[in-house]
Amino acid sequence: EAQVTQNPRYLITVTGKKLTVTCSQNMNHEYMSWYRQDPGLGLRQIYYSMNVEVTDKGDVPEGYKVSRKEKRNFPLILESPSPNQTSLYFCASSFLDRPYEQYFGPGTRLTVT
Amino acid sequence: AQTVTQSQPEMSVQEAETVTLSCTYDTSESDYYLFWYKQPPSRQMILVIRQEAYKQQNATENRFSVNFQKAAKSFSLKISDSQLGDAAMYFCAYPNAGGTSYGKLTFGQGTILTVHP
Repeated sequence: EAQVTQNPRYLITVTGKKLTVTCSQNMNHEYMSWYRQDPGLGLRQIYYSMNVEVTDKGDVPEGYKVSRKEKRNFPLILESPSPNQTSLYFCASSFLDRPYEQYFGPGTRLTVT
Repeated sequence: AQTVTQSQPEMSVQEAETVTLSCTYDTSESDYYLFWYKQPPSRQMILVIRQEAYKQQNATENRFSVNFQKAAKSFSLKISDSQLGDAAMYFCAYPNAGGTSYGKLTFGQGTILTVHP
């Protein structure tokens, strides 16, 4: 089954404790991205990747890092989480020439206390 | 830069009635897509309907249809014969297909739809 998976689905952590949210897709998509969803703001792009070893900032990259060492994986790293990073996070992927067909992961609810 | 605006934070409808959710957008492109996504309590993002700007005909998927007004940059979603399962947050979205934001989906703020039995 074609899908995007994220882990963990729920995470409660404390300020400053490094964490990684994993994202994996099995559709051989070149394009992957991370979004955060906050009330009244919709979803905003954090980082994206157009292929292995090619990443770039989205609209709200501060406090986040990403890497793309393999085509299928695109982890989101919070090296020193802060309470303002409490949010719902989504990973999405698509073929590079079809950005209008994006597949979303199930979401990760992160709470930073 | 592309922007997407949903001016209705909340809407409600009686079961079996019809409701329309509004969305306006801004773009300098002439050919593009527009989407409506549904987000139920499970939080999964579900694509409801897609419109291609070069097509004159409004898209329809079963009980869901759009009113696409390209000149006015308006893209509303009509849900007919509303069902309890339609209760969700709905997002309008625009995929960037060029420039430095290639591939990025620009989302509206969302509209919470409540369906009353």
